[in-house]
Amino acid sequence: DGGITQSPKYLFRKEGQNVTLSCEQNLNHDAMYWYRQDPGQGLRLIYYSQIVNDFQKGDIAEGYSVSREKKESFPLTVTSAQKNPTAFYLCASSPGQGYNQPQHFGDGTRLSIL
Amino acid sequence: ILNVEQSPQSLHVQEGDSTNFTCSFPSSNFYALHWYRWETAKSPEALFVMTLNGDEKKKGRISATLNTKEGYSYLYIKGSQPEDSATYLCASDTGRRALTFGSGTRLQVQP
Repeated sequence: DGGITQSPKYLFRKEGQNVTLSCEQNLNHDAMYWYRQDPGQGLRLIYYSQIVNDFQKGDIAEGYSVSREKKESFPLTVTSAQKNPTAFYLCASSPGQGYNQPQHFGDGTRLSIL
Repeated sequence: ILNVEQSPQSLHVQEGDSTNFTCSFPSSNFYALHWYRWETAKSPEALFVMTLNGDEKKKGRISATLNTKEGYSYLYIKGSQPEDSATYLCASDTGRRALTFGSGTRLQVQP
């Protein structure tokens, strides 16, 4: 089945450590997105990519980095500069053409600080 | 960051009741309005994407309307069922092909 796979489901980070969240899609979508959810809040956009080898900062990009070397993959690194990384992270993709395309979401990764 | 606001924050209804939620968004630079349903332990699922003022979309017992001039959208559920229990998210695209989400309306339908 086509879809988006996020791994791991749960991740623990030590202070001062960088961690990378994986997001892979086999939907042949051009666009991919990373969101963060905190309790009681909506999804906030971290980074997005409309095409391979290009990406843009979202609304809360500080302390995060991404790469888009392959169409299928959009990994998110939570760096030690992100002072409050505990949250639920969702990856999404869309075909990318036009403005009437819905986004498809993965199952998420929950990141906690040890 | 442009604010997308949803109300109410949560809603409890009885099975068979009809209900509606509101999403308000900045009407300037409007490109699209999305609605998603997010059930517990699952990933968000797209319901509707609307782009034109006056758009009305329907999927089974769920429908949505859009007013881009005044910046609001309504989501209606007719005859709520327990399986409709979920958080309903709306999100606005202002032309960057990326979404700004509201904080959602959490619906609980009691059998």
